[in-house]
Amino acid sequence: NAGVTQTPKFQVLKTGQSMTLQCAQDMNHEYMSWYRQDPGMGLRLIHYSVGAGITDQGEVPNGYNVSRSTTEDFPLRLLSAAPSQTSVYFCASSYVTGGGYEQYFGPGTRLTVT
Amino acid sequence: AQSVTQLGSHVSVSEGALVLLRCNYSSSVPPYLFWYVQYPNQGLQLLLKYTSAATLVKGINGFEAEFKKSETSFHLTKPSAHMSDAAEYFCALSNDYKLSFGAGTTVTVRA
Repeated sequence: NAGVTQTPKFQVLKTGQSMTLQCAQDMNHEYMSWYRQDPGMGLRLIHYSVGAGITDQGEVPNGYNVSRSTTEDFPLRLLSAAPSQTSVYFCASSYVTGGGYEQYFGPGTRLTVT
Repeated sequence: AQSVTQLGSHVSVSEGALVLLRCNYSSSVPPYLFWYVQYPNQGLQLLLKYTSAATLVKGINGFEAEFKKSETSFHLTKPSAHMSDAAEYFCALSNDYKLSFGAGTTVTVRA
């Protein structure tokens, strides 16, 4: 299993450009999430999905769109990039166990918006 | 609403000394609690998690954490720091498949 994969690893955008961060998992996990990591703020939830065709907003959804057409893929779209979206983005997938939910994180995408 | 507070954004310890990272939580229902470690320019690695089976939880790399409901705390400890423990540590809470993270504590280890 590759686990959770994210592409690209690094990206530089100009203000106003759009792009899609890709996330895929091969573990057949039902739940997937996107987080952004900023210094001194930990990780904050952007959007999440409880299954194919079902998504919802997290703590910081503005400026981002998601869709989940398959169990495996959960892309994150930046509609019009802004410098405030400079961050490290992590995708995670999870499934329920007898002891709660088991989370698996991707390696991250480092995005710089100039 | 649920939240996590990590006390101290930076901790500096000498090699061989005790590592203590503090985490307090707020949750209206019994939570699942986690500690993650992030080495420079890497992703998140799970150190340990509390699922109500035992209040003292042992994790990888010699770390352990104790759940104290009366204090709403889940502090992380390691008896003897190693240079390889230098990293950022995150405490997190979940009641479902979403995680709420603390702001993180950066640990530096002095030789």
